[in-house]
Amino acid sequence: NAGVTQTPKFQVLKTGQSMTLQCAQDMNHNSMYWYRQDPGMGLRLIYYSASEGTTDKGEVPNGYNVSRLNKREFSLRLESAAPSQTSVYFCASSALGQGRNTEAFFGQGTRLTVV
Amino acid sequence: QKEVEQDPGPLSVPEGAIVSLNCTYSNSAFQYFMWYRQYSRKGPELLMYTYSSGNKEDGRFTAQVDKSSKYISLFIRDSQPSDSATYLCASCETGGFKTIFGAGTRLFVKA
Repeated sequence: NAGVTQTPKFQVLKTGQSMTLQCAQDMNHNSMYWYRQDPGMGLRLIYYSASEGTTDKGEVPNGYNVSRLNKREFSLRLESAAPSQTSVYFCASSALGQGRNTEAFFGQGTRLTVV
Repeated sequence: QKEVEQDPGPLSVPEGAIVSLNCTYSNSAFQYFMWYRQYSRKGPELLMYTYSSGNKEDGRFTAQVDKSSKYISLFIRDSQPSDSATYLCASCETGGFKTIFGAGTRLFVKA
């Protein structure tokens, strides 16, 4: 049982390049999330998908786009990478919202460096 | 000001000590309060959650929420070296999807 799988695990981009971070969960969860984690800032929500077919902005959505491809997969796209997007990116999923008695399960993270 | 504030530490204690980790929050609409544990280079894992005010105990761990003072605490009894990790507090509204995390406190338990 893999849980939440993120690819790639590491990536180095040049400023202005684009890339897509992939996330898949095998727990039949309805909700999926993308966070970034920076030193001293904790986890900050970029986008979330409450259910298949819906996406909404989180705390820090600028510079990112997302796609809920199906119930299992939720991708994060950086159209024109900037050094400020250097971070560790985590995908998570939960059966329902993160309140309402359900926990979020996190992937192992993608370490992205933009030079 | 962040909606959830947490001292990043680091906090270093000897094995067997009682550890107290604390957060404050500012959003009165928060009803769910969670503690996640994150080992180095891993994703966070839910440790405990509490709904509204009160205490919740799970083995050596006790989570406490005081809504009157907007204070969230996690106590670890008989701390072990395996407890060395970053502990993140988090809060959200009922039915909410926007969970707000604190910065995380790095804990080191020395054998």
